[in-house]
Order: sequence, then C-alpha cells, then structure tokens
Amino acid sequence: ETGVTQTPRHLVMGMTNKKSLKCEQHLGHNAMYWYKQSAKKPLELMFVYNFKEQTENNSVPSRFSPECPNSSHLFLHLHTLQPEDSALYLCASSQERQGVYGYTFGSGTRLTVV
Amino acid sequence: GEDVEQSLFLSVREGDSSVINCTYTDSSSTYLYWYKQEPGAGLQLLTYIFSNMDMKQDQRLTVLLNKKDKHLSLRIADTQTGDSAIYFCADGGSQGNLIFGKGTKLSVKP
Repeated sequence: ETGVTQTPRHLVMGMTNKKSLKCEQHLGHNAMYWYKQSAKKPLELMFVYNFKEQTENNSVPSRFSPECPNSSHLFLHLHTLQPEDSALYLCASSQERQGVYGYTFGSGTRLTVV
Repeated sequence: GEDVEQSLFLSVREGDSSVINCTYTDSSSTYLYWYKQEPGAGLQLLTYIFSNMDMKQDQRLTVLLNKKDKHLSLRIADTQTGDSAIYFCADGGSQGNLIFGKGTKLSVKP
C-alpha cells in the first residue's frame, strides 16, 4: 500500500458526464501533481500544486479542472471529455518541489471515455 | 527543452543481468532517479543517485552515472521474472519537476 491513495481505480464515463478523481496523501508532503499516462505518450505532467497553490499548468485543456483544498487532498474534475482523454491518471506527491526521495505515486485511475 | 531518452524494450533470460540505459539533457540536475511500474500500478521509486556520484549499489541494483556524457544506467543482477516491469529514468531538471523518459519495458523469460 503506497502512501498516496487514488479513487476510483477505474472509471468509465460518457463524453457528456461530469466526474472527479480524488487523490489523498498523509505523508506530510507539500507538493502534489497530476500526470497523464497513455499508451502512446510518456508521462505527461498536467498540474503542480505547492503548498496548495497551483504553480504549473502544462497547457491542459479546460475540460480538466484541478482543485487542491489542502495539502493532503487533490482532485481532478472532468467534464465533456473526449475519447483521446482515455488514459491512466496518476497522482504524486513530494516533500518539496524536488527532493532526494523524488515523488511518491498513487496506483492511478484508469479512465475510459466512451 | 529538457529531455530524457530510453530504449523502449529489453528482453533477458532469468538469471542474466539486465542493463537499462538512459540519456538526459539537463546538466544542472542534482538527482537522477529510477522508477519501476508494474502492470496496473503506479510508479515506485527504485533508487536514486546524487549527481556528484558515479556509482551507487543497492543489493541487486547498480546505478552508473557518466555526467560528462549525460548517461545513466541501471543494472539488475540475477534478473528474476518478478523484475518484469516498465522502468523509468527521471531527471531532477532545472525547473524543479521530474522529467521522465518513455520507459523501458523489461521482459524476463524463464
């Protein structure tokens, strides 16, 4: 069991649905990240939060909306997604933006858009 | 921009050594990392090396760093079927975010 928990593990949603992915860590980390992993592309950094403040948005379409209410929780709100958004969405956390222990990853949410 | 390159596939026989190679472009990296991803799981930190070191050994794992050539390698001794996974090289990067390679899929044949 990793220190970063993601729910749900699997999600199937239609293109008109609205859903949210949840990430939780109780490691005392201050930075949290959303990554997208698809079969054709390497790990794509989507968003970075440092001390609850969004510090990076890597040109992610507005149909993905992150929320970080506190240092332990991170959400990714999804609406009007496209089939090409189907992927494994990974959450990670770190003590700081870059530390010797790197990032701790969750097990991911496998998203399928139909 | 910053980039990390790895070969995509490696196949070895059980008991042999595996060597996974990686090249990176950011010379200001403080740390470099190897992560392992098993099917259906997230990434697990395997090991890391500080940029002023050229070798680090941890049980069956040996990391070699050639900073001049910006080349990092991971050697797994006595490879087992349980080592079958995707291995990601990651560069600390000058912007503070980890830059990941595309991952090398290691297949271990009995």
